[in-house]
Amino acid sequence: QVQLQESGPGLVNPSETLSLTCTVSGGSIGGYYWSWIRQPPGKGLEWIGYIYYSGSTNYSPSLKSRVTISVDTSKNQFSLKLNSVTAADTAVYYCARARQVWDLPEPSYFDYWGQGTLVTVSS
Amino acid sequence: DIQMTQSPSSLSASVGDRVTITCRASQSIRSFLNWYQQKPGKAPKLLIYAASSLQSGVPSRFSGSGSGTDFTLTISSLQPEDFATYYCQQSYSNPLFTFGPGTKVDIK
Repeated sequence: QVQLQESGPGLVNPSETLSLTCTVSGGSIGGYYWSWIRQPPGKGLEWIGYIYYSGSTNYSPSLKSRVTISVDTSKNQFSLKLNSVTAADTAVYYCARARQVWDLPEPSYFDYWGQGTLVTVSS
Repeated sequence: DIQMTQSPSSLSASVGDRVTITCRASQSIRSFLNWYQQKPGKAPKLLIYAASSLQSGVPSRFSGSGSGTDFTLTISSLQPEDFATYYCQQSYSNPLFTFGPGTKVDIK
């Protein structure tokens, strides 16, 4: 059973960089896409971006200028960096595995999720 | 950008009821539509992918249908553990995935 666990600071100062890591256990990070998704308190879900185990990435256009997702296959981990954060970036951040359908090359849905970690942006 | 809407935004139902939730896309997304269930304080759980494929381990009372712009999630007989918020998600405009605003199902 694949399990994902987010880790990182729960409090980030405005204008600084939010950094989170997702550790994958129970399976290899190799061969799959991996994604970050966030949910502001009391609101809906927003996709941030995904990375293939080889390192290729795609990001949400609305966050692209501030986001970097990277992967470390030796540690079975992938990471999120979001710079220049504001209070609007306060959210529960989830990592998830992304899967393809119909043999298409790009991912389509998210089948395994971490429990989520709340990151608050405040001084 | 493709916009997703869901109706209703909330509903009250009883155990044993048949429940239908609708998701509509602002343009055709073929069958690139997935459904998730989220309980308070928990991560979303995948129920249905590709509009109508049941994720492994999900009870058969959950079903999905539709294509193009209109989709439905049906719970054939609502169980106590099904009270939750349900989200649809499109992946047609990959790499921009968008989620619907959610439908909260609570106890009547």
